[in-house]
Amino acid sequence: QSVLTQPPSVSAAPGQKVTISCSGSSSNIGNNYVSWYQQLPGTAPKLLIYDNNKRPSGIPDRFSGSKSGTSATLGITGLQTGDEADYYCGTWDSSLSAFWVFGGGTKLTVL
Amino acid sequence: QVQLVQSGAEVKKPGASVKVSCKASGYTFTTYGISWVRQAPGQGLEWMGWISTYNGNKNYAQKLQGRVTMTTDTSTSTAYMELRSLRSDDTAVYYCARVRTIFGVVTPTGGMDVWGQGTTVTVSS
Repeated sequence: QSVLTQPPSVSAAPGQKVTISCSGSSSNIGNNYVSWYQQLPGTAPKLLIYDNNKRPSGIPDRFSGSKSGTSATLGITGLQTGDEADYYCGTWDSSLSAFWVFGGGTKLTVL
Repeated sequence: QVQLVQSGAEVKKPGASVKVSCKASGYTFTTYGISWVRQAPGQGLEWMGWISTYNGNKNYAQKLQGRVTMTTDTSTSTAYMELRSLRSDDTAVYYCARVRTIFGVVTPTGGMDVWGQGTTVTVSS
């Protein structure tokens, strides 16, 4: 059971928009920056969004991030078949068990 | 270009130890920390801990305390993760990733911006 809660799966058609939610608490999302990672099948995770809403160089502006209270959201517009992947949110956590926590991951299917 | 290159796959018996390496290039090694993350087959990402390459300060996930040791060799820009007393549920792909630090302290900004390619560790009798 992950500390951060993500929907197991989402789907949408090519060209459409999708959002992926990440719900936490005041010990993690509520007081820390959130980052998002894309993991294509059989590859290492890749940083998509950091500090809630910043994109590393090379990440297209189709990807966006936001945070409100103890929840964060990843948005992807203009969906492409190449966006099919697992997406994870992550953030610091002030609990005793771990300094950093990930969500359980969301499988995006582009229909 | 900035990259982290990890050592090759390992097969170990229960009770043994494994040591995975992560060699950095393309940036000044001591200006960023290294985090270790693992992923069991078909499962999500699990943070294991991180280490400052500047001064060796480290933090481990509570569930791994006592079994994991993270170290660095600044002369070769390489980070290491050793896991002892291996069990079948340690079977996973192990990743290293770069994290921001300020004076040897991992900062809560920037996320994990560069990842190694992963090292598969299989624990089986």
